[in-house]
Parts: sequence; structure tokens; C-alpha cells
Amino acid sequence: AQTVTQSQPEMSVQEAETVTLSCTYDTSESNYYLFWYKQPPSRQMILVIRQEAYKQQNATENRFSVNFQKAAKSFSLKISDSQLGDTAMYFCAFGGAQKLVFGQGTRLTINP
Amino acid sequence: ETGVTQTPRHLVMGMTNKKSLKCEQHLGHNAMYWYKQSAKKPLELMFVYSLEERVENNSVPSRFSPECPNSSHLFLHLHTLQPEDSALYLCASSQGVTASSGNTIYFGEGSWLTVV
Repeated sequence: AQTVTQSQPEMSVQEAETVTLSCTYDTSESNYYLFWYKQPPSRQMILVIRQEAYKQQNATENRFSVNFQKAAKSFSLKISDSQLGDTAMYFCAFGGAQKLVFGQGTRLTINP
Repeated sequence: ETGVTQTPRHLVMGMTNKKSLKCEQHLGHNAMYWYKQSAKKPLELMFVYSLEERVENNSVPSRFSPECPNSSHLFLHLHTLQPEDSALYLCASSQGVTASSGNTIYFGEGSWLTVV
């Protein structure tokens, strides 16, 4: 069974700093997607970014980018120029042949 | 504005009550999901529907009963719940159920359930 591990339960940085959230996963599948979701205090889970496993190029969405290391089964999220609105729970998720598997989340706080 | 709408946003119910959570998606998706989110626990997938057929039921107690009358609507009927069932219940939808095909899941804002 696939597992997703987020080893940082909580993180805190100052506004405008860059922060990296880590995620590792375990799978024997070769075709899959990886996702980062954000859940702000309002509680709606929002897709931040996604990566296709067969693409070597790391996905980027504005200030959000990933470092996808397929061999190491690592999928970290980098947030550049962090903003107060980035304060949220961040969930890494693995999407293979079966259901989406989520990590336990990282609570990120951006301090003014 | 969200493509997945959940009502009610907050619900308090006694252990002997019967209530329902409602979810509607406006994205034209074929798959709908119920997730449970409790404090300090990973998201728990409860039910998956694809084209109104239940395709997954993850050992959820029978006091939770899903209903999917069409591909746009999903209900979660609740009866004789326990206090430990208090949680945030998230509805979600996607175009298909296979995540490896790139089917991104879109979530609603959730329904906070408190069982007293």
C-alpha cells in the first residue's frame, strides 16, 4: 500500500522568507501524480500544485514550486516570498491507480 | 466561490438524532467522495461514488449511510452517531476516480459535525 509521510508537523517562518515543506512517499507504481493541497483556517482544501511522475521538469505555480526526486521518492514544496495568506495546513498527496493517499499534514504559520 | 458546495456548514446533533449532510458539485465531474477529518489524524476516505455507483466503502460504520442520486449530488445520512464521530466532513469531486490519470480532487468547504 502507498504511504505518504510529512515529517514536519509544524513550521513557522517570517513573511517574505522562503520555506520548504518535505514529503516522501512509498510506492511500487510507475505511473502516478503527486499533489500539494492547502487548507487555510477557512477550512476549504485547495489544490496548490501537482506533478506528473513521468515528467522530469519540476512543476511551478507562481510562488510555489516543487522539487520532485523520483528515485528518492521525495516531493517537497517550496514557497517563495511567503505571505500571511500562506498560513495553512499543507497536505501532500499521492495519486496512483487507486484512491488518493494523503500525508498527515504540515501546519505552516507565516509571521508578520 | 467553490465548485463544490456543502450544507450545512455546522451541525450539532444528539446521539439519537437523524440528520443528513448534503453536497453538490457544479463542475460536471463523474466522481464524488466523502472524507472525514479529525484532529491530529490524516484525512480518512469514507466513500467513493463513480457515475452514481459506490466504488469504495472503507469499513465505515453503518451509522453513516451515503446516497448519490445523480452525479451532481451526494448525501451522507447520519443516525445514532457517537461523540467520537465529531469531525469535519469534507465532500469532494473529480472527473474520474483514477488519480494516476491526473484526476484532481476538488473539495468543498466542509461540514463541521458535533455529536453531543
